[in-house]
Amino acid sequence: EAEVAQSPRYKITEKSQAVAFWCDPISGHATLYWYRQILGQGPELLVQFQDESVVDDSQLPKDRFSAERLKGVDSTLKIQPAELGDSAMYLCASSLEGGYGYTFGSGTRLTVV
Amino acid sequence: GESVGLHLPTLSVQEGDNSIINCAYSNSASDYFIWYKQESGKGPQFIIDIRSNMDKRQGQRVTVLLNKTVKHLSLQIAATQPGDSAVYFCAENIKSGGSQGNLIFGKGTKLSVKP
Repeated sequence: EAEVAQSPRYKITEKSQAVAFWCDPISGHATLYWYRQILGQGPELLVQFQDESVVDDSQLPKDRFSAERLKGVDSTLKIQPAELGDSAMYLCASSLEGGYGYTFGSGTRLTVV
Repeated sequence: GESVGLHLPTLSVQEGDNSIINCAYSNSASDYFIWYKQESGKGPQFIIDIRSNMDKRQGQRVTVLLNKTVKHLSLQIAATQPGDSAVYFCAENIKSGGSQGNLIFGKGTKLSVKP
């Protein structure tokens, strides 16, 4: 069964340091999403890509967060500098056109100390 | 505020009983809904979906009901098993402009199954 791959699974970083997460979507899925999930809450969209283009980054804190999907396949989400409040699960998902076939990866658990 | 919410934050059922998890949504333009199961430390796992042109869809031991009149979604799990214990999220796909749409999640319901 096809999966969305994410790495690392866990990351501990000190505040003010830079951190990056990687995602490889399901082959053929043109749409890629990054979500942040705070413990006890539902995932919240950070950024959405259609191929290599950003179609929605309205909830991305652009002063410290950046995301790219240069070749329209895998994607990287970066935080610099990390803050204590960034501790959360970062989830990547991909989907077919129209939002169907939404599939999530296992996520990266970030702890900022 | 969030357009998708859940009526009950926690639900405890006896093994073998049926479970019903409810969800309210507020966006009439939503055309697609998904239920996810999330176990501790893992990403959301797809359970079942339904498009807005349907009012019921069945899977293996699960049924999703959609009532567009009152903007209500429910997940029914038959013969609930200990392995069903998890947090369940409903999500609605909202399209805006030319966007493919993205999922808006509620806060989740924690299902606990007692043996």
